[in-house]
Amino acid sequence: DSGVTQTPKHLITATGQRVTLRCSPRSGDLSVYWYQQSLDQGLQFLIHYYNGEERAKGNILERFSAQQFPDLHSELNLSSLELGDSALYFCASSVEPAPNYGYTFGSGTRLTVV
Amino acid sequence: AQSVTQLDSQVPVFEEAPVELRCNYSSSVSVYLFWYVQYPNQGLQLLLKYLSGSTLVKGINGFEAEFNKSQTSFHLRKPSVHISDTAEYFCAVRLNSGYSTLTFGKGTMLLVSP
Repeated sequence: DSGVTQTPKHLITATGQRVTLRCSPRSGDLSVYWYQQSLDQGLQFLIHYYNGEERAKGNILERFSAQQFPDLHSELNLSSLELGDSALYFCASSVEPAPNYGYTFGSGTRLTVV
Repeated sequence: AQSVTQLDSQVPVFEEAPVELRCNYSSSVSVYLFWYVQYPNQGLQLLLKYLSGSTLVKGINGFEAEFNKSQTSFHLRKPSVHISDTAEYFCAVRLNSGYSTLTFGKGTMLLVSP
């Protein structure tokens, strides 16, 4: 157990729907990062929150949004889902954005859009 | 911007044989380097990282990696692999100053057979 908790583990939904993925970071970690893992694109950085504030955006679609709450858990909202959004979504946490820290990853949420 | 190239998408090897997984990076400034492992149906786990100092870095599970600045490489090695080492391995890079997130390579699947 890495200490980073992601729920749900699996999600199957239809095109056009909206889903919310949840992440609880490791105790004491202020940074939460979201990544999308697909076979063709590999691991793509989506967005980073630090202590409740958005810090950076990567290859995140406009249909996707995220937030980090005062208790530091984060949610990734995916809307108007398309077949191509099917992927593994990982959350990772870190004590701070300092570059010498690696990330601690959760076990991911596997999203299947049908 | 930084980037990572993992030259082999798949590396088959027999149990107890040595293995090297190759990683090259590109960056105009100094970087920190990481190797992560992903076992089937799990999240990513940090194997080792290079921040500074000795260019030979030892990690968990008997893995080690060597940083070569002139060749911009950070190859991962293990002298004798086990069946349990079968997993996907990801090389990642992060700038060592200013703000940046982890940028991952596309991964190398290590397949260990008896």
